[in-house]
Amino acid sequence: AQTVTQSQPEMSVQEAETVTLSCTYDTSESDYYLFWYKQPPSRQMILVIRQEAYKQQNATENRFSVNFQKAAKSFSLKISDSQLGDAAMYFCAYRPNAGNNRKLIWGLGTSLAVNP
Amino acid sequence: DAGITQSPRYKITETGRQVTLMCHQTWSHSYMFWYRQDLGHGLRLIYYSAAADITDKGEVPDGYVVSRSKTENFPLTLESATRSQTSVYFCASSDGTRGNQPQHFGDGTRLSIL
Repeated sequence: AQTVTQSQPEMSVQEAETVTLSCTYDTSESDYYLFWYKQPPSRQMILVIRQEAYKQQNATENRFSVNFQKAAKSFSLKISDSQLGDAAMYFCAYRPNAGNNRKLIWGLGTSLAVNP
Repeated sequence: DAGITQSPRYKITETGRQVTLMCHQTWSHSYMFWYRQDLGHGLRLIYYSAAADITDKGEVPDGYVVSRSKTENFPLTLESATRSQTSVYFCASSDGTRGNQPQHFGDGTRLSIL
């Protein structure tokens, strides 16, 4: 079965520092997509970043970047220059390209606290 | 405004009552999804739909009914609400034309069943 594991239920970081959130997944597929979503206390689900498995280059979006290790099935999220507004629950999600149902497989989330 | 809208934002009801949560999207996305979010369980898929008149069960469909007569609407009905269905419910949609398209979420409905 395809699964997504976020091994850190809670993390904290000092403002302006860098933090890395871990995500591993289990799949036999070679073509898939990976996503990080952020859920602040307002409970909105906001897409942070996405990665296509066929791309070797790691995705970046401003202060957010990923370390995608396909062989290790690892997809960690790095947040640089952390800000108070980054405090949120972060979810990692996986979707195989095979099939046509667009369903995501979700991790259980990492709660990130940002300390001033 | 373009986007995905859920209503109501909050709902309190009693066990045994029928309640319908509404979801409307303006992007003409072919895929729509209903999730529930509970502490310790993350997001769990209840039902999804690939197009109008095409729906399928997710992980936790029992006690829920969906319909999709129009592309833009995907209501979720609890036919006889139970306390275990107290949760936050999210609707999401996704473009079906390209594989890398993410799911876009509504703001959620907090449902309390007394």
